[in-house]
Amino acid sequence: QVQLVESGGGVVQPGRSLRLSCAASGFTFSRYGMHWVRQAPGKGLEWVAIISYDGSNKYYADSVKGRFTISRDNSKNSLYVQMNSLRPEDTAVYYCARDRGNGWDHDAFDIWGQGTMVTVSS
Amino acid sequence: DIQMTQSPSSLSASVGDRVTITCRASQGISNYLAWYQQKPGKVPKLLIYAASTLQSGVPSRFSGSGSGTDFTLTISSLQPEDVATYYCQKYNSAPLTFGQGTRLEIK
Repeated sequence: QVQLVESGGGVVQPGRSLRLSCAASGFTFSRYGMHWVRQAPGKGLEWVAIISYDGSNKYYADSVKGRFTISRDNSKNSLYVQMNSLRPEDTAVYYCARDRGNGWDHDAFDIWGQGTMVTVSS
Repeated sequence: DIQMTQSPSSLSASVGDRVTITCRASQGISNYLAWYQQKPGKVPKLLIYAASTLQSGVPSRFSGSGSGTDFTLTISSLQPEDVATYYCQKYNSAPLTFGQGTRLEIK
């Protein structure tokens, strides 16, 4: 079945780095844009970043621009986000989500992973 | 950047009630608006996209309307399983901003 599975979360000190992964299955990964969305404990949803189907187009939320890098490997059906210079306010559950389109023309998010928790604390 | 504002922030209604949640964009976004449902402890789920198109598998008691800056999500007859937080999201251009959420409870 169509599935997204995130991994790589954990506890990290402020200023350090972490890389999250999202493994896709059950659909043709290379045809879809992909997103990262996060949710701080007890808070709402915050869009983080998008990458187009071929990796050529990327956008970021201002809150992570210059610190986070989204990427993908279509040969491995995988999405990534490299998170550098982490701050306590980056503490959240991080979800990967599939765009209904190819990521050039943005669309709604129809498939979500179960999320991975990132805690930034000393 | 365009801001998305939902109202109310929380809502309590009885089973069988008609429930309406409003989402307002600070600038026009045509119909590039989605609604999501997040049940407690669960992953968000797409309900509606393009402001009024029901996602496959979503019960027909859910409906969406609006265009430009003002949008609504309506539940025609509230069911106990509809207890959740509902989010609108604009996706016409980045940043793909979510509203702050509306928490729906059963009275």
